[in-house]
Amino acid sequence: QQQVRQSSQSLTVWEGETAILNCSYENSAFDYFPWYQQFPGEGPALLIAIRSVSDKKEDGRFTIFFNKREKNLSLHIKDSQPGDSATYFCAARISGSFNKLTFGAGTRLAVCP
Amino acid sequence: EAGVTQSPRYAVLQEGQAVSFWCDPISGHDTLYWYQQPRDQGPQLLVYFRDEAVIDNSQLPSDRFSAVRPKGTNSTLKIQSAKQGDTATYLCASSFDWGNQDTQYFGPGTRLLVL
Repeated sequence: QQQVRQSSQSLTVWEGETAILNCSYENSAFDYFPWYQQFPGEGPALLIAIRSVSDKKEDGRFTIFFNKREKNLSLHIKDSQPGDSATYFCAARISGSFNKLTFGAGTRLAVCP
Repeated sequence: EAGVTQSPRYAVLQEGQAVSFWCDPISGHDTLYWYQQPRDQGPQLLVYFRDEAVIDNSQLPSDRFSAVRPKGTNSTLKIQSAKQGDTATYLCASSFDWGNQDTQYFGPGTRLLVL
């Protein structure tokens, strides 16, 4: 059972556009949702995260929109740059679970100049 | 401050051979994780430790995989008798689980190819 699902395996946008990456989850007990960015040959790195008590988290060009009722969230990357080309993973955690993360399969984003 | 370091970065084996991966977490981090990341998939947790104690190894194929963290610092993941299906990147991560300071920091991974 895939508990965290990312709807697109890949996404291509033009430089300057807003990239929207979608994620949904099964387990209502998940209450913390980090997004990780991974470049080829590197490990994932935390980009931005949201807790389920919030419906929006913004950090510079990156924004998470969270819908608890629908059990989905999305990462918006405003003014996309070629340097944003990477794979983005949505993850989820249950509080009190010793920080155990469940990852989605990832969305590979390509930003064309 | 140094990040999570892993070695080797690459390993190529024939089926049936054994291999060990080594991880040095960020200094002071009490929790250490090992993940398997098959090509074009997300990381999948194998085992994690709080200090030297195993918290959860339920996803570790115990008949061939083993992991230790004897002094609560460095860790070793070993695969006995590797199979082609073990081909993947093996990632180590660490965190300091205190309050909201619980971000997992990943190392660069070890890319394993089993022929």
